[in-house]
Amino acid sequence: SQQGEEDPQALSIQEGENATMNCSYKTSINNLQWYRQNSGRGLVHLILIRSNEREKHSGRLRVTLDTSKKSSSLLITASRAADTASYFCATDAGEGNTPLVFGKGTRLSVIA
Amino acid sequence: DSGVTQTPKHLITATGQRVTLRCSPRSGDLSVYWYQQSLDQGLQFLIHYYNGEERAKGNILERFSAQQFPDLHSELNLSSLELGDSALYFCASSSPPDGRGTIYFGEGSWLTVV
Repeated sequence: SQQGEEDPQALSIQEGENATMNCSYKTSINNLQWYRQNSGRGLVHLILIRSNEREKHSGRLRVTLDTSKKSSSLLITASRAADTASYFCATDAGEGNTPLVFGKGTRLSVIA
Repeated sequence: DSGVTQTPKHLITATGQRVTLRCSPRSGDLSVYWYQQSLDQGLQFLIHYYNGEERAKGNILERFSAQQFPDLHSELNLSSLELGDSALYFCASSSPPDGRGTIYFGEGSWLTVV
């Protein structure tokens, strides 16, 4: 079953606008990660935030984590047409040998 | 380029047939993961190998099997194929044995069962 659930399922914005995607998960985690997938391609790691961190930045990306609400958000600022892709959150389940579990993703379309 | 190589990139096969997907992990990575991506199920974890040993098993059908060889490459065998097995199959690799941290994906193998 899916550990993370992204919201919204699809998002369409104009170039230059900010895009915000949310992820909710069910169990305690060690880390939460965001990945990006261009259509039909492999997933590419964007950013990892640890359970004891609340916010992390990487270039135009800002990730927040609220472990009390079991949720995370990914903000892409000043979006570009090249940001068009699907974005997935991924979590580990915290204990033992736990492979990453991915949500179904948010499809972002940035219109030039 | 993630450094993870998957072959073949595309294949079309008939129901009831068997195929083998191959993966070479990034240099130095001992962990290999297999994921299946379909439109209705999203990205599903299948199996994880670390240095030749199975470490975790997910939603992998009994018709599917995998192994990791001494040179660390991995193969996913899919047999008695059904139409519903049509999907994009990803291999990913990483260094740690516990499945945490960043994993690096290949470009996937598109399987179409007709």
